[in-house]
Amino acid sequence: EDQVTQSPEALRLQEGESSSLNCSYTVSGLRGLFWYRQDPGKGPEFLFTLYSAGEEKEKERLKATLTKKESFLHITAPKPEDSATYLCAAGSQGAQKLVFGQGTRLTINP
Amino acid sequence: DAGITQSPRHKVTETGTPVTLRCHQTENHRYMYWYRQDPGHGLRLIHYSYGVKDTDKGEVSDGYSVSRSKTEDFLLTLESATSSQTSVYFCAISESAGGADSPLHFGNGTRLTVT
Repeated sequence: EDQVTQSPEALRLQEGESSSLNCSYTVSGLRGLFWYRQDPGKGPEFLFTLYSAGEEKEKERLKATLTKKESFLHITAPKPEDSATYLCAAGSQGAQKLVFGQGTRLTINP
Repeated sequence: DAGITQSPRHKVTETGTPVTLRCHQTENHRYMYWYRQDPGHGLRLIHYSYGVKDTDKGEVSDGYSVSRSKTEDFLLTLESATSSQTSVYFCAISESAGGADSPLHFGNGTRLTVT
């Protein structure tokens, strides 16, 4: 059964304190690994797609990386506006749906 | 923002009543999805559509039905609402199946409370 697990569940950082969020996946034939950001009361907002091990994508203070079993979302020198829940999801070969992790709730204190 | 509108944004209903949630898109995407989001469970797929009048079940489809009579509209119906269906419901769209080749874009959700 396809499965996605995110850790930690919650992370509190000081402004400027870099860290990483983890997404471990078990899917049959990864087709795409997706990262989303979700703010309270809003729907998830797409950030990145990664397709193959070794691939990296960057956007402002965020960088997503992918291995054969995990993806990491690195946050460099975060700001309070980076506070949100970050979700990852995996799509498998031939599947008509994504499998989502439960998310990491990130809080950046000023 | 992707052109996705969900209505209503909030609804309170009583156990046993029928409820219909609407998702409207202006992107002309072929694929549309209904998810529910609950603490401890994350996002779970209820039903999805791969074209007008073409729908299929997701992992938590019991108690729900859907209809898609036009490309832009995807309706989710709870035939007889139960308290276990209290949740936040999200509609999503994508250009390709499962969002594997192109990402899902989500609406802002409907918060449904069944009393």
